Amino acid sequence: DAGVTQSPTHLIKTRGQQVTLRCSPKSGHDTVSWYQQALGQGPQFIFQYYEEEERQRGNFPDRFSGHQFPNYSSELNVNALLLGDSALYLCASSRGTGGLSNQPQHFGDGTRLSIL
Amino acid sequence: DAKTTQPPSMDCAEGRAANLPCNHSTISGNEYVYWYRQIHSQGPQYIIHGLKNNETNEMASLIITEDRKSSTLILPHATLRDTAVYYCIVRVIDTGNQFYFGTGTSLTVIP
Repeated sequence: DAGVTQSPTHLIKTRGQQVTLRCSPKSGHDTVSWYQQALGQGPQFIFQYYEEEERQRGNFPDRFSGHQFPNYSSELNVNALLLGDSALYLCASSRGTGGLSNQPQHFGDGTRLSIL
Repeated sequence: DAKTTQPPSMDCAEGRAANLPCNHSTISGNEYVYWYRQIHSQGPQYIIHGLKNNETNEMASLIITEDRKSSTLILPHATLRDTAVYYCIVRVIDTGNQFYFGTGTSLTVIP
């Protein structure tokens, strides 16, 4: 039973460029969330996708956008990269969404993005 | 926006029980407490969660006080592989299923 998989594992970009990160959820999961983790900090919520729509969003600018596909996989896009976007980007999946679900999220090992 | 308070670091001798405390004094009645851990260079790993009753699984036990204002994660026989950052999270019920992480407790298991 494959868990959450993310690609690529590492990526180096320069300021101003654009990047796309990919996530495949755990089998049976239909909800995908994205987090940004700066060095020495806990993960910060970016947004959540369910039924191919963005359902919740954290305090991140519009440069951060996403997409969910019919097979539940997801992409995170970041435009106009800044040095401060250097971080570990984590994808988490879960089953169902909305306030009634107490199902835990399961995380991938992330994509390490470095901006030069 | 983390709603929990944890000590920044703890040590535990190998083979002994590790007791990790968490304060969540503003928790609401229908909010669950979750524990995750993160080993260097890996994604957070789910450990356990609970509402008001104590919970136990193959990894750990979760003890929640009767007033639900605090909880303790217990690793019964700590090993070197348990060295990690442990996050206590209260899921905010009105914002869906995402989690708000704090900075966690860095647990070091000492041989």
